[in-house]
Amino acid sequence: RKEVEQDPGPFNVPEGATVAFNCTYSNSASQSFFWYRQDCRKEPKLLMSVYSSGNEDGRFTAQLNRASQYISLLIRDSKLSDSATYLCVAAGISGNTPLVFGKGTRLSVIA
Amino acid sequence: NAGVTQTPKFQVLKTGQSMTLQCAQDMNHEYMSWYRQDPGMGLRLIHYSVGAGITDQGEVPNGYNVSRSTTEDFPLRLLSAAPSQTSVYFCASSLRQGVTQYFGPGTRLTVL
Repeated sequence: RKEVEQDPGPFNVPEGATVAFNCTYSNSASQSFFWYRQDCRKEPKLLMSVYSSGNEDGRFTAQLNRASQYISLLIRDSKLSDSATYLCVAAGISGNTPLVFGKGTRLSVIA
Repeated sequence: NAGVTQTPKFQVLKTGQSMTLQCAQDMNHEYMSWYRQDPGMGLRLIHYSVGAGITDQGEVPNGYNVSRSTTEDFPLRLLSAAPSQTSVYFCASSLRQGVTQYFGPGTRLTVL
């Protein structure tokens, strides 16, 4: 089983829609979680870290459910510029293992 | 700060040739890593380093060598290129292992 699993999509949504991505992780000892965004033919860039209490950054909300071992990303009021691949990332115990990246979920926001 | 830089941006090799992909960071990060990204496969870790003089293998290390003689530089060497190594290669760095990583712009490698 892949350590971090994501629905590959694509998710095709109209502008202004709300879209949610889920991601599951297999290592219950994982301590840190992130969402990265990757545009076509570009490098991944940090979108936001995910905290136990959940966190919000503008139109983006990330939540962590440790009991069920999943992380979610909610995007409200989707913009055309949100079209990208979103990578879910988990870190191991006490930072002594490399980050584990999911394969990504592709989002296309349509006018 | 330039962040993480990679050279070259594009490279075409013939089977059997060797080359070095360069990666440098100016953020004084201890942790550096190399990934390859292929369609449908996501990012796969090749090698990583937790500090100067220390390197370790990732998920797909075969056919690649690394060294870390300075904090700033982490070159990736292809000893004898094969078509299966055609990919996009990303270098990344972070303050330490397990925290936010910053990626370079990538090197697109084609092996004929």
